[in-house]
Formats: sequence, C-alpha cells, structure tokens
Amino acid sequence: GENVEQHPSTLSVQEGDSAVIKCTYSDSASNYFPWYKQELGKRPQLIIDIRSNVGEKKDQRIAVTLNKTAKHFSLHITETQPEDSAVYFCAAPTQGGSEKLVFGKGTKLTVNP
Amino acid sequence: DTGVSQNPRHKITKRGQNVTFRCDPISEHNRLYWYRQTLGQGPEFLTYFQNEAQLEKSRLLSDRFSAERPKGSFSTLEIQRTEQGDSAMYLCASSLTGVSTEAFFGQGTRLTVV
Repeated sequence: GENVEQHPSTLSVQEGDSAVIKCTYSDSASNYFPWYKQELGKRPQLIIDIRSNVGEKKDQRIAVTLNKTAKHFSLHITETQPEDSAVYFCAAPTQGGSEKLVFGKGTKLTVNP
Repeated sequence: DTGVSQNPRHKITKRGQNVTFRCDPISEHNRLYWYRQTLGQGPEFLTYFQNEAQLEKSRLLSDRFSAERPKGSFSTLEIQRTEQGDSAMYLCASSLTGVSTEAFFGQGTRLTVV
C-alpha cells in the first residue's frame, strides 16, 4: 500500500519569507497529489493539487512541484503571510483497486509577523 | 450550506457506551470516506463507500466499528463499546468517482471517551 512521508513536522518562518514542505510517496502508480490546509479547529481544505502528467502547478503564491522519478512532491509558499499559519497535509492515492487518499502526518507552519 | 455536513460536532461518552455519527455528503458525490484524526497526525483512513457499497475497510479498524450508507446518500459510523483510545476527530469526506478528484471534508465529529 501507499506510504506518504512528510517533512518537516514544524516550520517557522518570518512574514514575507518562503516556505517549502516536502513529501515522498511509495506507490509508483500514484497519479494525483493534493495538498490540504487545516486551520485550528477547522476542516482540511484543498489548496492545490497536481496530476502526474505535469511537473509543476502554480496558483498565486502557492505552487506544487512533482518529481515522479524520485517519487516526491513539494509545496512552495512565497511571500508568506500570518494567515498562512496552519497545518498542511500532503496526500497520495493508493492504486490497484483500492482507491483512497493516504495522508502525511502534517507540517505545522507558523508565520511570524 | 451545500458542503459536507457532520453531526454531532462534539460527543462526550462514557467508556463502554455506543455512539453513532452521521455524515451528509455533497449531494452529487457518490464516493464517501471516513477518516480518523488524532492530535498532531494526518487523517487516517477508516472506510469508504461507492454509492451504497462499502468497498474497503481499514485493517486497523476493529470489529467494534461499523459504517453504513443505506441509500447511497448519508452515512453513519457506529462505534460499539467505546474505549478511551477511540477519542479522536472523525472526519467524513466525499468526492465524485475516482480518487483523482477533490475530496471535500466535513467539519468532523470530535469524540471524547471518558
């Protein structure tokens, strides 16, 4: 089955700096890689996703890169703001007839004003 | 509100009691997932449905847990003989068919077993 490793577990940056969170996955058949943001006491919400037919996707200040050969993908947040403070989760699907998202353990991002 | 709805939001129960949670997915979504989340961890898969069919149940899930989606719409998750280790946030998510589509989460039910 799929195994997703996420690093770092905590990340503290100054407002305006960039933040990078990395995930590795084990199932080479995985083809969809979403990132979720979860603010304290709230539900996880999708912020960006990437499919395996592209290597990078951007949406304003956030971007995701995918390296299928190395089986890792990363979330990049530029010009961080205090409201970016949250826990971020990466995920990857299992394949082979069992379709579910397997989540990383999360990265707690703190953006200091 | 057309998002995923879960009830109750909070549940405190005594050890040994049974509890039942409800999830109402987005109406056109035929996939429904249950996850469990403990503090400092990512959502952990429990089970999922395609319409009314339960297609997979986590091997980590004891037989005290059961889930249903009788008409392919709302789902219930029941925990029998609750234990303190069952204390967690139980999240429901729904999506269209195929895992490569966005899964929308509900706000969760926080269970505390005392």
